[in-house]
Amino acid sequence: KAGVTQTPRYLIKTRGQQVTLSCSPISGHRSVSWYQQTPGQGLQFLFEYFSETQRNKGNFPGRFSGRQFSNSRSEMNVSTLELGDSALYLCASSFYYKQGTFSYNEQFFGPGTRLTVL
Amino acid sequence: GDSVTQMEGPVTLSEEAFLTINCTYTATGYPSLFWYVQYPGEGLQLLLKATKADDKGSNKGFEATYRKETTSFHLEKGSVQVSDSAVYFCALSDVNSGYALNFGKGTSLLVTP
Repeated sequence: KAGVTQTPRYLIKTRGQQVTLSCSPISGHRSVSWYQQTPGQGLQFLFEYFSETQRNKGNFPGRFSGRQFSNSRSEMNVSTLELGDSALYLCASSFYYKQGTFSYNEQFFGPGTRLTVL
Repeated sequence: GDSVTQMEGPVTLSEEAFLTINCTYTATGYPSLFWYVQYPGEGLQLLLKATKADDKGSNKGFEATYRKETTSFHLEKGSVQVSDSAVYFCALSDVNSGYALNFGKGTSLLVTP
């Protein structure tokens, strides 16, 4: 199975611009999550999409948004870019396993998109 | 809320040395625990996992045991190699947080020949 793919791998933008990042999950995975990685804040959860609906959201401003398409591919958008948005943005696709009262989720990460805001 | 604390690095070891990276967690529910590894310029790779107390996850010579009594999930390897140089992240996920991964700050490991 092909892994999680993210495009583009690198982006350079200037303050005030907006950007769209793309993620294609592993075939058969219906859930896509996005994370931001910075040296100062580490890895932080942005949001999760499942069957084209946002199912979970982290603590980020509304400038960060996303969507998911019927083929499970996902995009995230950042509007009005700020210098602090420079980061590695990681996408993860996942499957859920549930048996009785036990449930489990495992996430597989893509290589990330390195965004630099100048 | 849930949180993960792992030892700060960098950790520098000679090849064939024993590795321990400490990780402790706080959680209100019964989380699953993970170790991820990140090589330079790459995304995260799942190294090992444990889904319930006393489970031992293992992969590529690395091991970690889910200890509920001490809320710990320490990563160990008996003999490290230069190729193990990377950043290691401890993480948990819990149904109460919608399975979003909650990561520690990461521990950088450098193995020298």
